[in-house]
Amino acid sequence: AQSVAQPEDQVNVAEGNPLTVKCTYSVSGNPYLFWYVQYPNRGLQFLLKYITGDNLVKGSYGFEAEFNKSQTSFHLKKPSALVSDSALYFCAVRDGSDYKLSFGAGTTVTVRA
Amino acid sequence: DAMVIQNPRYQVTQFGKPVTLSCSQTLNHNVMYWYQQKSSQAPKLLFHYYDKDFNNEADTPDNFQSRRPNTSFCFLDIRSPGLGDAAMYLCATSTPGETQYFGPGTRLLVL
Repeated sequence: AQSVAQPEDQVNVAEGNPLTVKCTYSVSGNPYLFWYVQYPNRGLQFLLKYITGDNLVKGSYGFEAEFNKSQTSFHLKKPSALVSDSALYFCAVRDGSDYKLSFGAGTTVTVRA
Repeated sequence: DAMVIQNPRYQVTQFGKPVTLSCSQTLNHNVMYWYQQKSSQAPKLLFHYYDKDFNNEADTPDNFQSRRPNTSFCFLDIRSPGLGDAAMYLCATSTPGETQYFGPGTRLLVL
């Protein structure tokens, strides 16, 4: 079985400040981890993924995420948030041998000017 | 640009009137997925195709059906929409074991 937890429903930050969106996961095999962003009335946009290799993964729009195996976490980070980063963020996990993605409940990010 | 396209973007139907949502892709991916998403909740997988092999999730209602006539197109048929079926429907594609790429979604309203 696989699952994802996003412990924060909402994250609020000021523009220019660092942004962190938390994610922890549980899988029985090797984790394939993903972050997606969703703007209102739009589909999910792929940001980045971790399959193997370096624990720090860089993705689109200045986002990065750090894989921590001992803490089973994959937190999304951006050093300096923009108002345009305001959106709904989903973390997802897949067991390496499976096709099915398990999504977290989502975290709404609001960046104030 | 290679992409996943969904039509229409907004669909209004009447209670009990069959409706079909469309998805097409230019990515030439083997796998196509249909998700249902309600009120900014996590997307819920309804079913997926691996080439022509159809895989239904155990908790997908019988009211939902799908067709994939060729690699590029996949359809979601809702035979008798109820008020509870109002949602955003997302199509995604991938090569096996790789990243899923999503279309813009179709928002379904049931009157």
